[in-house]
Amino acid sequence: AQSVTQPDIHITVSEGASLELRCNYSYGATPYLFWYVQSPGQGLQLLLKYFSGDTLVQGIKGFEAEFKRSQSSFNLRKPSVHWSDAAEYFCAVGAGAGNNRKLIWGLGTSLAVNP
Amino acid sequence: DVKVTQSSRYLVKRTGEKVFLECVQDMDHENMFWYRQDPGLGLRLIYFSYDVKMKEKGDIPEGYSVSREKKERFSLILESASTNQTSMYLCASTGGHHSNQPQHFGDGTRLSIL
Repeated sequence: AQSVTQPDIHITVSEGASLELRCNYSYGATPYLFWYVQSPGQGLQLLLKYFSGDTLVQGIKGFEAEFKRSQSSFNLRKPSVHWSDAAEYFCAVGAGAGNNRKLIWGLGTSLAVNP
Repeated sequence: DVKVTQSSRYLVKRTGEKVFLECVQDMDHENMFWYRQDPGLGLRLIYFSYDVKMKEKGDIPEGYSVSREKKERFSLILESASTNQTSMYLCASTGGHHSNQPQHFGDGTRLSIL
């Protein structure tokens, strides 16, 4: 069965520091992978997605993610974190097609940013 | 841009009441989803729909039902609200027949059952 693991429940970084949020997936075929961000009290916003091709994908707000098939990972990175990046981050994988066109979600990583 | 609108941001209801949460999308999407979000539990899928008058159970359908009479509207119904249904509810929509399309979310409804 498909699954997504975000190993870090909570991460704290200093403003200006680099950030990497981990995501590991389990999926038998070529995965469709997504990263979302949720600001407090809001819905989820798509940061970036991977379908095929270049394994390094660029997203909004200066984020990027790298797909590594050998490690079943899709880690999210940002070179310099801003205080406004404090939020909850979710990784998801597409479950398939037809009657199974839903997403499988990780439990999320909460990011705090110290001034 | 896709717009997914949930009818209420905050809602307070009493135990035993029948509660309706409404969700409307403006992009003619085939697929609509209802999730609940609780601290430490991530997003859990309650029900989803791939077409009008069609519904599928998600991972936690107990105590809930849904209605999709029109393509743009997907309603979540708590038949008899209980305190353990206090939660954040999120609606999402997506187009196409595959999970390679990103889901678009509403702002959520924070529901309190007293």
